[in-house]
Amino acid sequence: GDSVTQMEGPVTLSEEAFLTINCTYTATGYPSLFWYVQYPGEGLQLLLKATKADDKGSNKGFEATYRKETTSFHLEKGSVQVSDSAVYFCALKESGGSNYKLTFGKGTLLTVNP
Amino acid sequence: GAVVSQHPSWVICKSGTSVKIECRSLDFQATTMFWYRQFPKQSLMLMATSNEGSKATYEQGVEKDKFLINHASLTLSTLTVTSAHPEDSSFYICSARDGLTVNYGYTFGSGTRLTVV
Repeated sequence: GDSVTQMEGPVTLSEEAFLTINCTYTATGYPSLFWYVQYPGEGLQLLLKATKADDKGSNKGFEATYRKETTSFHLEKGSVQVSDSAVYFCALKESGGSNYKLTFGKGTLLTVNP
Repeated sequence: GAVVSQHPSWVICKSGTSVKIECRSLDFQATTMFWYRQFPKQSLMLMATSNEGSKATYEQGVEKDKFLINHASLTLSTLTVTSAHPEDSSFYICSARDGLTVNYGYTFGSGTRLTVV
């Protein structure tokens, strides 16, 4: 079945450092890929998404590129802020059919220190 | 943008009692609702999927008689934890999908922290 593997962390960075959180996936078709962010005590918010190979999702300085050849969707940000401290989840949705379930990775806790 | 209002945000109940969690889509029609459970420092575990007007489909290992899901309208879904026990303590999150628009996005509720004492 489908699966998502992401860097488990925790990741601790200083403000303005470069961030990479790795995410790879296994899927039978051509899934859509997502990054969600969860702030303490809250639900998940969509950060960015990509629906086909070579698409780049971007939002709030974060970027991720859908790489079919390496089955990856790594999250990057050039300069993190303290406010970026949260848990980040990589997720996929199968293509086609009527199954709209999201499959999540285990999440990566990011802490950014001033 | 799309908003899902989830209530209560936290609840403490005694063992053996039932607790109902509500999720309402405020400005879109939630054709499909997903209910997740999240343990501390872990990922989301999908419990069940419900389509409006239909019975919920439960994931393997989830007791459907314990976790009752109702999705009677396009804007409201509820999860009732029946005869709660301390091991049911967890963070429960709903996610709604709008299948009637081009976006087909997923919108998450803010979660409910359930503590059973």
